[in-house]
Amino acid sequence: EPEVTQTPSHQVTQMGQEVILRCVPISNHLYFYWYRQILGQKVEFLVSFYNNEISEKSEIFDDQFSVERPDGSNFTLKIRSTKLEDSAMYFCASTGTSSVNEQFFGPGTRLTVL
Amino acid sequence: QKEVEQNSGPLSVPEGAIASLNCTYSDRGSQSFFWYRQYSGKSPELIMSIYSNGDKEDGRFTAQLNKASQYVSLLIRDSQPSDSATYLCAVLFSGNTPLVFGKGTRLSVIA
Repeated sequence: EPEVTQTPSHQVTQMGQEVILRCVPISNHLYFYWYRQILGQKVEFLVSFYNNEISEKSEIFDDQFSVERPDGSNFTLKIRSTKLEDSAMYFCASTGTSSVNEQFFGPGTRLTVL
Repeated sequence: QKEVEQNSGPLSVPEGAIASLNCTYSDRGSQSFFWYRQYSGKSPELIMSIYSNGDKEDGRFTAQLNKASQYVSLLIRDSQPSDSATYLCAVLFSGNTPLVFGKGTRLSVIA
């Protein structure tokens, strides 16, 4: 069964460094999302992407964040200058065409900012 | 502000019992409702979706939706220790907008 994949599974970085989190959505999906979950807290929306552009973003998604679909398969989240409070699990999700509302999540990247 | 509320638990049930998980949401115009299961340190796994009032059954799981009361629930019959996880209620308020999640209810099934 097709699934969303994410790399790396765990990223450790120093405060102020740039990180790029990568996702490969399910191949025929059209809508892509990034969410994050700080330890012990709820899953929070960051950004959605459709037709090669951002369709919606939350207050969390400030100028330090960017997303890109550099080719036909990858979907990336970049954090330009990481802060301690960026430490969280980051999940990529995608939505298919037959049941457009069901979002399927990747395994996540655990980002630790030191 | 669109809100999804869940009792954080923990909810403890004996093996074989029915577990009942509840969720309320703030926006009366909400369209789609989902239950995700999340094991510790893992990502949310979609287990049920429901779009219209009433019950929807899938194996041991039954989702119930009451839009008038802005209430959605998940019943797990014949609970197993492997069902022990956090159950996240998520609401899609319109179209392909982002999911809004509740904080989740931690379920513990005692063997």
